[in-house]
Amino acid sequence: AQRVTQPEKLLSVFKGAPVELKCNYSYSGSPELFWYVQYSRQRLQLLLRHISRESIKGFTADLNKGETSFHLKKPFAQEEDSAMYYCALNTNAGKSTFGDGTTLTVKP
Amino acid sequence: NAGVTQTPKFQVLKTGQSMTLQCAQDMNHEYMSWYRQDPGMGLRLIHYSVGAGITDQGEVPNGYNVSRSTTEDFPLRLLSAAPSQTSVYFCASSYSKGGSYTFGSGTRLTVV
Repeated sequence: AQRVTQPEKLLSVFKGAPVELKCNYSYSGSPELFWYVQYSRQRLQLLLRHISRESIKGFTADLNKGETSFHLKKPFAQEEDSAMYYCALNTNAGKSTFGDGTTLTVKP
Repeated sequence: NAGVTQTPKFQVLKTGQSMTLQCAQDMNHEYMSWYRQDPGMGLRLIHYSVGAGITDQGEVPNGYNVSRSTTEDFPLRLLSAAPSQTSVYFCASSYSKGGSYTFGSGTRLTVV
């Protein structure tokens, strides 16, 4: 069965500092991986997906199949980045499994 | 284009009552899912559907039923509400099995 692990429930950094939110997965097939973000009082929304290899709001994430990881990184955190972040994996059967989420707080 | 619409936004039920949470999408997405969000436990998949007439169980299906008679609608039924079902429920849809999900705004359910 597939599994997504986000080891940090809470992460706090100062504005301008680098930030890395960790995500590890287990899945026997070829995964489709995503990062979603939920700002306060808003619905979950897609942040980025591994297949597009793009940078959104300064965030990037690289799929490392050897380490089965998909960590989210940003070199200089901003206060508006404070939110809940979820890593998610889609299986070949169309099932989407989410991690437990990491609450990021960026302090001024 | 409304996206994914969930109703109601808030609901209070008494233990043992039944109700249906509604979910509709207007994007012609084949894939739809229901999740519950509990503090410290992230999003847990309840049921999902890969097309009209096809549904399957997720991680936490007990106490919930779903049906998918049309592409647009994917209602979630609570058969006999229990306090353990107090949660925020999210419906989401995707255009393909490898695609990202679009989420509804959620239903906050309290069972007393």
